[in-house]
Parts: sequence; C-alpha cells; structure tokens
Amino acid sequence: QSALTQPASVSGSPGQSITISCTGTSSDVGGYNYVSWYQQHPGKAPKLMIYEVTNRPSGVSNRFSGSKSANTASLTISGLQAEDEADYYCSSFATGGTYVFGTGTKATVL
Amino acid sequence: QVQLVQSGAEVKKPGASVKVSCKASGYTFNSYHMHWVRQAPGQGLEWMGIIKSSGASTTYAQKFRDRVTVTKDTSTSTVYMELSSLRSEDTAVYYCAREFPRDYRFDQWGQGTLVTVSS
Repeated sequence: QSALTQPASVSGSPGQSITISCTGTSSDVGGYNYVSWYQQHPGKAPKLMIYEVTNRPSGVSNRFSGSKSANTASLTISGLQAEDEADYYCSSFATGGTYVFGTGTKATVL
Repeated sequence: QVQLVQSGAEVKKPGASVKVSCKASGYTFNSYHMHWVRQAPGQGLEWMGIIKSSGASTTYAQKFRDRVTVTKDTSTSTVYMELSSLRSEDTAVYYCAREFPRDYRFDQWGQGTLVTVSS
C-alpha cells in the first residue's frame, strides 16, 4: 500500500486560506468516504481534525473543512492563525481493512 | 478523561525484539479497536496494524506482517505491540490510537514511545 500523496509544504499569511490535497487511488480515497485529517505539532501526538471527509469532531474550529473529488481529498484552513502552523496528514481506510496515511504537509503561517 | 499511556523509551540492538504497551483508561476498553502507527525521525506517519475490540481479530500492514504482533490484555486494559528482527530503519516513535468500531478514524492517541535500534 503506497502512501497517499500530499504537497510537502503550503504557506499563507494570517487571515488567508490554504488548501492541502491528498491523492490516492480507487482502493483508498476514491473507494471510501473514510478520509480523515490529523494535525501534528512538533514533538506531539497527532490530533484528529476532520473525519469522514467533511466532519469536524467536537472542539475543532469551523475554520477547518474537508472535501473530496474522485481520488483526491482536500483540507482547507480558512482565517489562518499562527497556531495552525503544524504538520498535517490525511488518512484513508483502504481495501483489505487496512489504513494508509498521506506523506504529510508542513503548513507555515507567514 | 480518556487516556492512552504508553511505556517508556527503548534502546535495542539490531535483530532483537521490542514490546511496547499502551494502557487505556477513562472509557470502556473492550468497546474500541486499537491501532499502532509509527513515525521515523523527520518522517511521516505509517500505519502498522489493528486489533479489533473483541481481541479475536488483527490486521497488519503488508510491510510488517511477518514481524509484528499486536495483543491485548483485557484484565489490565492494555494493548501490546511487539516488533521482531529489528533493524536501524525501525527507529521511530510508535503510537497507539483508538477507533470506535466502524468509525474509521483515530480519535485518541497515546503519547508515543521512542524505539531506537542501534548497535
């Protein structure tokens, strides 16, 4: 199972929006609506930000939103804030009952 | 509150095995699946495997299938991940993460356990 493809880095100024893509195949992202997104600050465990493509867990800011088209999922962060600077990973359920993560994206607030 | 507390850092020699524990509290242990995910230094997350809530079923990533074993002890609410035939490339932080059955997401994570493989 190959890792899902994400851009290595994205950046934006405070208040702007950024979008992180996550490209897989029909055996993972395209085949199931079970894409989730995780935020990871340095030295910390990942934190769930989006699940089932578009849903936010309780307590996660509504500035975070998700979408999917065919084999590509996306995470958008609007109204960018300094605290959003972190690594972001997508994850998808995959054929065979396995899971696969994305390659990770470093989001920088300029 | 929900907590997943993992065992401490380990240093192992190539060829050895390591067993990392993840003790759960604050929720009904047998109602959740548990996953293991690792992260090599400066690298991304990598899914290793899952033990289902019943404890009767495990699924592993093909990459680890012949070297990893995940078990659980219901009496102590603890899940274990054992990785054998260690090599330097296995140096990583290992995380446990729980999933409510059929939720397909990791909603709580352990703090991570650093395993260093070095001669």
